[in-house]
Parts: sequence; C-alpha cells; structure tokens
Amino acid sequence: ETGVTQTPRHLVMGMTNKKSLKCEQHLGHNAMYWYKQSAKKPLELMFVYSLEERVENNSVPSRFSPECPNSSHLFLHLHTLQPEDSALYLCASSRRTGANSYNEQFFGPGTRLTVL
Amino acid sequence: KQEVTQIPAALSVPEGENLVLNCSFTDSAIYNLQWFRQDPGKGLTSLLLIQSSQREQTSGRLNASLDKSSGRSTLYIAASQPGDSATYLCAVQSDNNDMRFGAGTRLTVKP
Repeated sequence: ETGVTQTPRHLVMGMTNKKSLKCEQHLGHNAMYWYKQSAKKPLELMFVYSLEERVENNSVPSRFSPECPNSSHLFLHLHTLQPEDSALYLCASSRRTGANSYNEQFFGPGTRLTVL
Repeated sequence: KQEVTQIPAALSVPEGENLVLNCSFTDSAIYNLQWFRQDPGKGLTSLLLIQSSQREQTSGRLNASLDKSSGRSTLYIAASQPGDSATYLCAVQSDNNDMRFGAGTRLTVKP
C-alpha cells in the first residue's frame, strides 16, 4: 500500500469512551502531522512530529493525546471528548530537510469523528 | 500570527473557462506555499508547492504564482473541466514550523 492511510475512516463515540485514530505513511517521510477540519472552519494544525519527536503543539486540549512510536506511524488517542470535537481528523506527512524547512505535505483520507 | 485569506469563497463557471483563485497572507516570512484540492468528505490532494525563493510553479493546466513581498499567491486553472470541481485550499508554512490554511474556494465547473 502506498501514500498515507488512516483508520478507521468513520468513528462514532460517546463522551466517556476511549478510542484511538491511526495513521501510517509509506513515503519514507520523517515528519507527521495531525489536523482538525471542522465544518466551515479552516484546517487547524494540532500536532507535528519530526523524527518521532513532537515539535509543535498548538494548545490542543489534553483530551487529545498524540503518539509517534516510529517515523511511519502516528496515533491520536481520544478520551472524554465533547460534541464540539466532532470533525474530520486528517493526518499528513512530509520530509523535513532542515531546522525549519519541510517539503510538500501529503494527506491521508481522514477519519470522520462524531461525538455523541 | 499568520492569517490566510482566500477569495472568492465560492466560484461557479462554465466548462472551458480560464479562472484565477486568490490567496493572501499577512506575514511574508514564509518558507513555502502549497495549493491543495479537496473533494467532499475526502482528504487533501497536493497540487503545487512553491518555495519562498520561487515565483511560480506549473503542472499541466495549473499554474501557481507567489509574490512573497505583497503576501499573495494565485492559482490559475486553464480550460476548466467539470472534474476540476472541488474546494481549493491554500496553505503557508512559516518560520515557526506552523502551517496555516485558508478557508478555501469552492469551485463548480458546469458542463
């Protein structure tokens, strides 16, 4: 399989549930990202991992917990979410070529999350 | 804080027309600018990436330009087709590793 894959594609969960989103990239990249896309709002960058180290965290609530065990896999652990967290969660990857230089980002198909 | 604006928010054109989508950003200290296409309910597909040192990039019927000093980029689509119908997103990467997206332009090309 090539590109960036995400599972599950759709997820419905209650506010007390714990679930995880998974992302996998097969492009040999060394940086991975989580984005949130809510209705009628621009994409929001949540987390950036480069070389498996978190380099960016845009003040995301602690009920979202990222994990990057290696350069090919990225997880987003979810617990005690709120209905307003319902959104499309997109994963992306790219190649980091310098201290602050990242190349073209490639996106996965996203996970459509609904919190009841 | 970098802000990215895309105009128009929506555009409807007949098939065959040439069209221009606009993107503006407030902080000219960027590393690159990327144009994406998003189909309904799907992820993003990268169209063109322009590094801050470049003025334009071309791919097929698409041409993107960058004027960093004025904080503007345009995406030119030649001879539009119904299959071009999608939302087009502009994103800029800034010095602090941040990637900021515009709200997108929803394009409809009518047969």
